[in-house]
Amino acid sequence: AQKVTQAQTEISVVEKEDVTLDCVYETRDTTYYLFWYKQPPSGELVFLIRRNSFDEQNEISGRYSWNFQKSTSSFNFTITASQVVDSAVYFCARRGGSGGYQKVTFGTGTKLQVIP
Amino acid sequence: DARVTQTPRDKVTEMGQEVTMRCQPILGHNTVFWYRQTMMQGLELLAYFRNRAPLDDSGMPKDRFSAEMPDATLATLKIQPSEPRDSAVYFCASAAGLAGNTGELFFGEGSRLTVL
Repeated sequence: AQKVTQAQTEISVVEKEDVTLDCVYETRDTTYYLFWYKQPPSGELVFLIRRNSFDEQNEISGRYSWNFQKSTSSFNFTITASQVVDSAVYFCARRGGSGGYQKVTFGTGTKLQVIP
Repeated sequence: DARVTQTPRDKVTEMGQEVTMRCQPILGHNTVFWYRQTMMQGLELLAYFRNRAPLDDSGMPKDRFSAEMPDATLATLKIQPSEPRDSAVYFCASAAGLAGNTGELFFGEGSRLTVL
């Protein structure tokens, strides 16, 4: 199986600190897609971002930024100036993309606690 | 707001009983996924469908679980007979799954199952 690894099980930071969540993936596909999802305490899974394997540009959205590096098979997620509302479990996921293959594999998640 | 709808939100049942969970995907989405989330295993893919046809159900215990899509607006996941180890949150997700489409998964709010 082509795994997605989130080595950090839990992270605690103090509000306003920056925090980076790591994600390393395995793939044999030339074309694939990477995602981050947020699961707040309420339980629903909220889509944050999608990147395809051909686009290694970093992306910034407000306090969130993503660093995609194919050379190291990593897709890390940084929250700048963390807030209590960022407390959640964050999942990295990978989806094969050639020939209509659409299986999505999730990492085990990183639980982020932002302490006021 | 288009969203994936799951019922029931919470279900408590006794071991041996049949449990059916239902999912209404977003209108127009032709790919539907069933995931199970537990503390120990994280998010596990149980099965997924494209255009109502099952593409992969290798993650599902075949002896007691079954998944179907009677029509494009309804996906069902049935457990018969249920066991305490089936206690988990079951998520349904849908995606616009045209070949080459890179769309993210849209998740329902989950069905929390407790088997006593």
